[in-house]
Amino acid sequence: AQSVTQLGSHVSVSEGALVLLRCNYSSSVPPYLFWYVQYPNQGLQLLLKYTSAATLVKGINGFEAEFKKSETSFHLTKPSAHMSDAAEYFCAVTQNRDDKIIFGKGTRLHILP
Amino acid sequence: DVKVTQSSRYLVKRTGEKVFLECVQDMDHENMFWYRQDPGLGLRLIYFSYDVKMKEKGDIPEGYSVSREKKERFSLILESASTNQTSMYLCASSSIGRGRTNTEAFFGQGTRLTVV
Repeated sequence: AQSVTQLGSHVSVSEGALVLLRCNYSSSVPPYLFWYVQYPNQGLQLLLKYTSAATLVKGINGFEAEFKKSETSFHLTKPSAHMSDAAEYFCAVTQNRDDKIIFGKGTRLHILP
Repeated sequence: DVKVTQSSRYLVKRTGEKVFLECVQDMDHENMFWYRQDPGLGLRLIYFSYDVKMKEKGDIPEGYSVSREKKERFSLILESASTNQTSMYLCASSSIGRGRTNTEAFFGQGTRLTVV
């Protein structure tokens, strides 16, 4: 079964600093990968998804992720953090055979003023 | 605007009660999911349905059942609520991908259930 691992349950960055949230996947076939964001007391919303058309994927709110097959990674980045980016971020993979979506344990991003 | 609607945002129930959590989507999606979210554990799949009347167990189905009589509605049932089922419950839907395309999930706002 496919799975994703997120390194770091909490990450703190200063406002204006680079955001880097790590995600590694395990898959023997090309994976369908996603990043979702959850703001307090809300459901999840899609940040971006890997489509295989390009290894660098741009999402909403200035976030992007790079698919690196050699490293089995799909890390999420943003050049300059904003206070409004404080949220929990989930990496996810869809199983090809049945569309089940498997989530990582999440990384809570804290933005320091 | 696409929508997944969960019937309650907050719910308080007593131990032993039968609890129904309802979820409706208006996107004609085939797939529907129920997840449970707990701090430090991420989202864990309880049940999954890929068609009307079809269901599959997820990673933590014990103590739960589901019903999908209509394509747009997916209900989660706690047969006899217990305090360890106090949690945030999230419903989601997606269209069929089956390895041919990556279809994202759309989520409801969540139901925070407290069992006392």
